Amino acid sequence: GQSLEQPSEVTAVEGAIVQINCTYQTSGFYGLSWYQQHDGGAPTFLSYNALDGLEETGRFSSFLSRSDSYGYLLLQELQMKDSASYFCAFPLGSNTGKLIFGQGTTLQVKP
Amino acid sequence: EAQVTQNPRYLITVTGKKLTVTCSQNMNHEYMSWYRQDPGLGLRQIYYSMNVEVTDKGDVPEGYKVSRKEKRNFPLILESPSPNQTSLYFCASSFRNSPLHFGNGTRLTVT
Repeated sequence: GQSLEQPSEVTAVEGAIVQINCTYQTSGFYGLSWYQQHDGGAPTFLSYNALDGLEETGRFSSFLSRSDSYGYLLLQELQMKDSASYFCAFPLGSNTGKLIFGQGTTLQVKP
Repeated sequence: EAQVTQNPRYLITVTGKKLTVTCSQNMNHEYMSWYRQDPGLGLRQIYYSMNVEVTDKGDVPEGYKVSRKEKRNFPLILESPSPNQTSLYFCASSFRNSPLHFGNGTRLTVT
């Protein structure tokens, strides 16, 4: 079947770097996305990887290895406002609205 | 301003009383979808639509109905709500598999 696995919680200190991993199982792969959600709020898009390698967007980067069915989100220079839940997700086809999300990783940034 | 608008934000109802949660987007997106979010379970897709009059089931469609008569609107209908449908609901829209834009959520309580 298709699924994504993420750690449920990660804790880090302000100013540090943290990596949130996502491993997936799928019969066909069409890219991996990352979303951020502050407590109870709307998820917002962070990053997308269709090919292997690193995508950088400011303090956030996302990495993908299709051969390992693995990706991660890297957050640098952590700030208190980065405390949130982070979800990885992938579509089940190249032209489908069917999307699967991981269960989410809650990041707590401590002073 | 580009946005996805859900209404209502909060809703408390009783078992069996039909309700509709509205969703509207002003970005001319083809894709629209509904998710429910429960603690520890992440975002689970209920239904999705790839265009007007084209809808399909997500992972947890039981007890829900949708319609897509116009491109901008995608209402979620609960014909006979039950307590296990108490959840946080999100509507989202996008072009094809490009990033999802989420609404601000509807917190539903069924007693």
